[in-house]
Amino acid sequence: ETGVTQTPRHLVMGMTNKKSLKCEQHLGHNAMYWYKQSAKKPLELMFVYNFKEQTENNSVPSRFSPECPNSSHLFLHLHTLQPEDSALYLCASSQDSWGTSGGANEQFFGPGTRLTVL
Amino acid sequence: AQSVTQLDSHVSVSEGTPVLLRCNYSSSYSPSLFWYVQHPNKGLQLLLKYTSAATLVKGINGFEAEFKKSETSFHLTKPSAHMSDAAEYFCVVSDSGGYQKVTFGTGTKLQVIP
Repeated sequence: ETGVTQTPRHLVMGMTNKKSLKCEQHLGHNAMYWYKQSAKKPLELMFVYNFKEQTENNSVPSRFSPECPNSSHLFLHLHTLQPEDSALYLCASSQDSWGTSGGANEQFFGPGTRLTVL
Repeated sequence: AQSVTQLDSHVSVSEGTPVLLRCNYSSSYSPSLFWYVQHPNKGLQLLLKYTSAATLVKGINGFEAEFKKSETSFHLTKPSAHMSDAAEYFCVVSDSGGYQKVTFGTGTKLQVIP
């Protein structure tokens, strides 16, 4: 079991629904990430938060809205999604998103939320 | 700019035989390189990490990888495959120092045949 938890593990929603994904890390990290993992595509970075500030939005459609109230919690609010948004959504955390002179920080991943949009 | 290429999308080995998963990278700066493993319906778990120290890196579960700058490669190996090694493996590159941009490879699915 990693120190990163995600809820729910599975979610089925219609295109007009509003739902939220939750991620919590118990590792004392300062950076948190949302990734989208679709079949036959590379892992796509969606958002990065460093010390609660959003430092990267990788051209994600506005129907995905992240929220980071503190360094331990990260949410992804979903609204009017499309069927092509069906995927595994992974949350990760790292010490921070800057790395050190010793190299980049490794990321610790949660188990993911399997999202199906009908 | 940085990129990572995993040369095989699927690799199949017999139990007890060696494993080789190939990864080539490009990076403008001194890179950090990682291998992650993902078992079905699980998140990614770090196997090992290279950050400019020893070029031969040992990881968990008997895996190791060698950083070869001249070949821009970071191949993952294991002397003897176990059934529990069946999973998907991701090679990851990150430019070291400053704000780190992480790029994932497309993954290699390892099948282990009894």
